[in-house]
Amino acid sequence: DVKVTQSSRYLVKRTGEKVFLECVQDMDHENMFWYRQDPGLGLRLIYFSYDVKMKEKGDIPEGYSVSREKKERFSLILESASTNQTSMYLCASSFSWVAQSNEQFFGPGTRLTVL
Amino acid sequence: SQQGEEDPQALSIQEGENATMNCSYKTSINNLQWYRQNSGRGLVHLILIRSNEREKHSGRLRVTLDTSKKSSSLLITASRAADTASYFCATVSTSGSRLTFGEGTQLTVNP
Repeated sequence: DVKVTQSSRYLVKRTGEKVFLECVQDMDHENMFWYRQDPGLGLRLIYFSYDVKMKEKGDIPEGYSVSREKKERFSLILESASTNQTSMYLCASSFSWVAQSNEQFFGPGTRLTVL
Repeated sequence: SQQGEEDPQALSIQEGENATMNCSYKTSINNLQWYRQNSGRGLVHLILIRSNEREKHSGRLRVTLDTSKKSSSLLITASRAADTASYFCATVSTSGSRLTFGEGTQLTVNP
């Protein structure tokens, strides 16, 4: 079974703190994604990566950065957390685009609260 | 902006009944996928239908796709209380490879 794990299920941080959210997948997937999910807004793509050290902006990259130093690990970084970044963060992975299926496998999510 | 829009936003039925959820989208697609999310958890892939397919089955799930109307439907037959979850459609456009999600339908199946 594909497994995507996220470092924390719940996280509480203070405004201005630097926050790291870690995601690890064990299926040798090329693509990895970070979404945030908010009521009434659905899932919105923050960043994605299609290879080690490669990254692409999604729909809402402002206030976030990412790092992919190893194929299995994709980190989301909030350089200076703000209250409007309180949300559920979901990591996902998939095989390369060439596979054509694009099915994504999701982690359990991290509920981040910024006070 | 969201590519897919689910309808209805919320659906409440009794166990044993069928549940139908609809999804509309705006641009040409390569494929359309349905996902399920239990409360407070990640999403789980249910089924994928390609643009050249019209209908697909998987267990109690039936998905249809009408590319002329840019719409899809997900039918869950003989629903169970354990089917209670949010259901999302997601599209992959012909011009890209990203998934774009709708806002989801909250299904409640009452025992």
